[in-house]
Amino acid sequence: DAGITQSPRYKITETGRQVTLMCHQTWSHSYMFWYRQDLGHGLRLIYYSAAADITDKGEVPDGYVVSRSKTENFPLTLESATRSQTSVYFCASSDRVEIQETQYFGPGTRLLVL
Amino acid sequence: AQKVTQAQTEISVVEKEDVTLDCVYETRDTTYYLFWYKQPPSGELVFLIRRNSFDEQNEISGRYSWNFQKSTSSFNFTITASQVVDSAVYFCALTSGTDKLIFGTGTRLQVFP
Repeated sequence: DAGITQSPRYKITETGRQVTLMCHQTWSHSYMFWYRQDLGHGLRLIYYSAAADITDKGEVPDGYVVSRSKTENFPLTLESATRSQTSVYFCASSDRVEIQETQYFGPGTRLLVL
Repeated sequence: AQKVTQAQTEISVVEKEDVTLDCVYETRDTTYYLFWYKQPPSGELVFLIRRNSFDEQNEISGRYSWNFQKSTSSFNFTITASQVVDSAVYFCALTSGTDKLIFGTGTRLQVFP
């Protein structure tokens, strides 16, 4: 009963490097989401995906890239990391048909960009 | 535009006190869902409750209760007889079926023994 997992849980990188955060869910949920959490802002949506090969921008997509070749995976890539991308990143999933839009969250990835 | 406001940034109480966390929302949609999530010090986000816009009945789950009032666009959360384990950041959130969950900025609750 893994649910939704994220890796790595902690990451330190340097400005300009590419970083990929992984998200994997075992529920076969159709929807997946990436959020970032920053003090004073709550959680803000970066990207989301309604199904494999379907992705869309959220509130703060600049500097991020996503893909979804398989239903269970939704990686988030920072193509050239900046210090402003230091944050806690949460992945979430939901099955809109069965559980009416409740999103369940992974444990988060703490990213520090030096 | 949709918006969720949690005006209380931080609340401190002593164990066994009752505490209410406020949530005010804005939406033009007639069908929408409201949520509460808990984020304990360990950092994960735990789903607590979902309420749809057509169900205004208050809900009670143990020491937790929720008061949904469409007339004031509020969805407040009360913890009765608070415990130290209730210490966490609590988020209220809203979606109107557009796939996007809009979060408030959270209320940090500290319960002291």
